[in-house]
Amino acid sequence: DGGITQSPKYLFRKEGQNVTLSCEQNLNHDAMYWYRQDPGQGLRLIYYSQIVNDFQKGDIAEGYSVSREKKESFPLTVTSAQKNPTAFYLCASSVMADMAGRTHEQYFGPGTRLTVT
Amino acid sequence: AQSVSQHNHHVILSEAASLELGCNYSYGGTVNLFWYVQYPGQHLQLLLKYFSGDPLVKGIKGFEAEFIKSKFSFNLRKPSVQWSDTAEYFCAVNAGNNDMRFGAGTRLTVKP
Repeated sequence: DGGITQSPKYLFRKEGQNVTLSCEQNLNHDAMYWYRQDPGQGLRLIYYSQIVNDFQKGDIAEGYSVSREKKESFPLTVTSAQKNPTAFYLCASSVMADMAGRTHEQYFGPGTRLTVT
Repeated sequence: AQSVSQHNHHVILSEAASLELGCNYSYGGTVNLFWYVQYPGQHLQLLLKYFSGDPLVKGIKGFEAEFIKSKFSFNLRKPSVQWSDTAEYFCAVNAGNNDMRFGAGTRLTVKP
């Protein structure tokens, strides 16, 4: 059963702590993405990766870090430097973008709701 | 700055009413266009997409969208909505450089 898994579904942390969100895919997709979803703001790109051991910053990368050691996995760390970390985080994957960097459809995981107090 | 605008934040319709959700974008070149839907408690999933060819695109569950290049628009339509269409709808545009941009979303509530 192919798809994207994110864990945990809900995560609670104290302010000042780093936290890592898991994202795994078995779709054999090359590209993976992390988005943040806030009410009324849609999805904003945090980081993306087109191949293993390479990743690029999105619009709101400050306070976040990622790694891509395996094709299947793209964990996101929310660091203590992120000023407003409470949000719903979505991971997505897709086949490699075309030569112009235009992506085909993205497949999304169920999301992780992070609450920092 | 490049952007995607969804004009309606919350739309409330009765069952069997017709639906049109607006989406405009500000990219000047070739774009890939998408509509995604997020049903309550479910994953974000693709409704339909446009890459090239016929500008009228048909998707799942009776939805369709029309790409009007001159208006930079990709509006979503459905002739007769059902209670099960209650969800949040997102327009997305990809103009290259791995830059997929999403609109703010439109919440649709269908009253039975």
